[in-house]
Amino acid sequence: AQRVTQPEKLLSVFKGAPVELKCNYSYSGSPELFWYVQYSRQRLQLLLRHISRESIKGFTADLNKGETSFHLKKPFAQEEDSAMYYCALSGSARQLTFGSGTQLTVLP
Amino acid sequence: KAGVTQTPRYLIKTRGQQVTLSCSPISGHRSVSWYQQTPGQGLQFLFEYFSETQRNKGNFPGRFSGRQFSNSRSEMNVSTLELGDSALYLCASSLQAVTDTQYFGPGTRLTVL
Repeated sequence: AQRVTQPEKLLSVFKGAPVELKCNYSYSGSPELFWYVQYSRQRLQLLLRHISRESIKGFTADLNKGETSFHLKKPFAQEEDSAMYYCALSGSARQLTFGSGTQLTVLP
Repeated sequence: KAGVTQTPRYLIKTRGQQVTLSCSPISGHRSVSWYQQTPGQGLQFLFEYFSETQRNKGNFPGRFSGRQFSNSRSEMNVSTLELGDSALYLCASSLQAVTDTQYFGPGTRLTVL
């Protein structure tokens, strides 16, 4: 079975502060991991995927297989980063399993 | 290009009825996935269709079914509605697989009374 855990339902940081959204997963094989984001009154959209190893809107995420984590990080948060963030995993079953999401609020 | 569209956007049904939701994917996308979103369970995978075939299915009862047409448009059906089926139903399309970038629709809000 595959499982994704996002331990923080709510996270608030001040503008300019670093932000880290935690994601832990449970899967016995080699998963593909993603971060999806939903801004207010917008649709759910892909932010980044681990295989791309790219930075999107200043966000990066590193897959740590030892700790089974895929935390999302940004060194300097901006107010426009306020959104709901979902970590997702795809394993051999080729279905996306989402975490429960973290609501990030960046305070001015 | 036009995004994923879902119809209707809102539905109110009573227990025991059935409902059909529709999803039109982005042109050229062949994979269509359906998700149920509730406050308690979050986003849960229902099923994925590719080339008119159900390729993957989540852990939902047989009352939940779907199909895909030759133009990749998809429908999902829920029979014998229960109160717990009240949810936002999201459709997502991608080029070939769920691991490709998924483009989500706005969702259909189903309320079961």
